[in-house]
Amino acid sequence: AQSVTQLDSQVPVFEEAPVELRCNYSSSVSVYLFWYVQYPNQGLQLLLKYLSGSTLVESINGFEAEFNKSQTSFHLRKPSVHISDTAEYFCAVSGWGAQKLVFGQGTRLTINP
Amino acid sequence: DAGITQSPRHKVTETGTPVTLRCHQTENHRYMYWYRQDPGHGLRLIHYSYGVKDTDKGEVSDGYSVSRSKTEDFLLTLESATSSQTSVYFCAIRGDGSTNYGYTFGSGTRLTVV
Repeated sequence: AQSVTQLDSQVPVFEEAPVELRCNYSSSVSVYLFWYVQYPNQGLQLLLKYLSGSTLVESINGFEAEFNKSQTSFHLRKPSVHISDTAEYFCAVSGWGAQKLVFGQGTRLTINP
Repeated sequence: DAGITQSPRHKVTETGTPVTLRCHQTENHRYMYWYRQDPGHGLRLIHYSYGVKDTDKGEVSDGYSVSRSKTEDFLLTLESATSSQTSVYFCAIRGDGSTNYGYTFGSGTRLTVV
């Protein structure tokens, strides 16, 4: 079975500051990892995913995440945030051969001007 | 989202009444899922399906049943709604190709049980 822990329930930052949203997972098998974003009153959108290959994955809007197998982490980073990044971010894991996607509790990112 | 739709989008129902939520996909994916979203809990899996008439329980399945008689439709039923089932419900489908592996979510159904 897999589990996910998002270490911060809320992260407030100033506009144009860097941000890191932390995600740790637990699994006895190899994993696929995902970050989803949920803007206010909307559904979930895939931000980026790690399936295999390069451990650094990027999204089209400037976010990146690095798969660290030894630390069982998949932290999400952005060097400079914008007001429009205000949202809730969910880390999720699926084990190879598993049939389910398991979510963390979510991190609410608030951008202050 | 493209390829997956949920209905209704909003519903208010009374305690003790049955409620059915529908998820419809046009992607012909084998796997379909029902999650509920509650503050502080993220998304939790209720039930999932790995084919027509093939379903299994998730971590919060008590009080819910599902059915899948066609590849494209996955129904979630609350047999007798309770206030604890007030939540936002999301359906998801899973693509299994080497490049498109991933989960796509519907827009959600906001259910209020009064």
